Amino acid sequence: SAVISQKPSRDICQRGTSLTIQCQVDSQVTMMFWYRQQPGQSLTLIATANQGSEATYESGFVIDKFPISRPNLTFSTLTVSNMSPEDSSIYLCSVEDPGALTDEAFFGQGTRLTVV
Amino acid sequence: ILNVEQSPQSLHVQEGDSTNFTCSFPSSNFYALHWYRWETAKSPEALFVMTLNGDEKKKGRISATLNTKEGYSYLYIKGSQPEDSATYLCAFMDAGNNRKLIWGLGTSLAVNP
Repeated sequence: SAVISQKPSRDICQRGTSLTIQCQVDSQVTMMFWYRQQPGQSLTLIATANQGSEATYESGFVIDKFPISRPNLTFSTLTVSNMSPEDSSIYLCSVEDPGALTDEAFFGQGTRLTVV
Repeated sequence: ILNVEQSPQSLHVQEGDSTNFTCSFPSSNFYALHWYRWETAKSPEALFVMTLNGDEKKKGRISATLNTKEGYSYLYIKGSQPEDSATYLCAFMDAGNNRKLIWGLGTSLAVNP
């Protein structure tokens, strides 16, 4: 299993500003995943972050808008840049089972972002 | 476009009632079907990861079944308790797409004491 500490848990931000979300995992993991859940929508994968290489972004998401850092095997950040009200969402980081026994996903507590 | 659908969208039951939800998913390129429980202000928590057609898994009062040929899974809660109140999410893991998880919208369950 894995325990993920994600912060901040919530924030209210002005449009045009940026917010960086951090996730710390209690064990080393190869891949970390960043998701977004917009109001009334399903969880959507933004990107996959591997240590030592550039993140892989899903269709509709770009690095300039959502830069990701992955400096080591236990930590990652996601920045939401130049925010607009449409970025108001819950953002979640996730990892797969570090023991690789199952495909079960483990999640941080989420960051509830409101852009005004 | 892969689609995962869950029904009902929300459900209100009385304590002690039994209930069930449905998740439908593509019947091709199946790798696994996940169920998660997401309580407000907490992390989503895995309930089951199911891979075999006909599989049935159980954890306490919660159980799930899987039909990969027709593309559906049921989640059952027996004797609902207020602490079961949460959003229940299912996610389809696609064998042909780097095993990414495709999520449903969830079923929001409220159990009244």
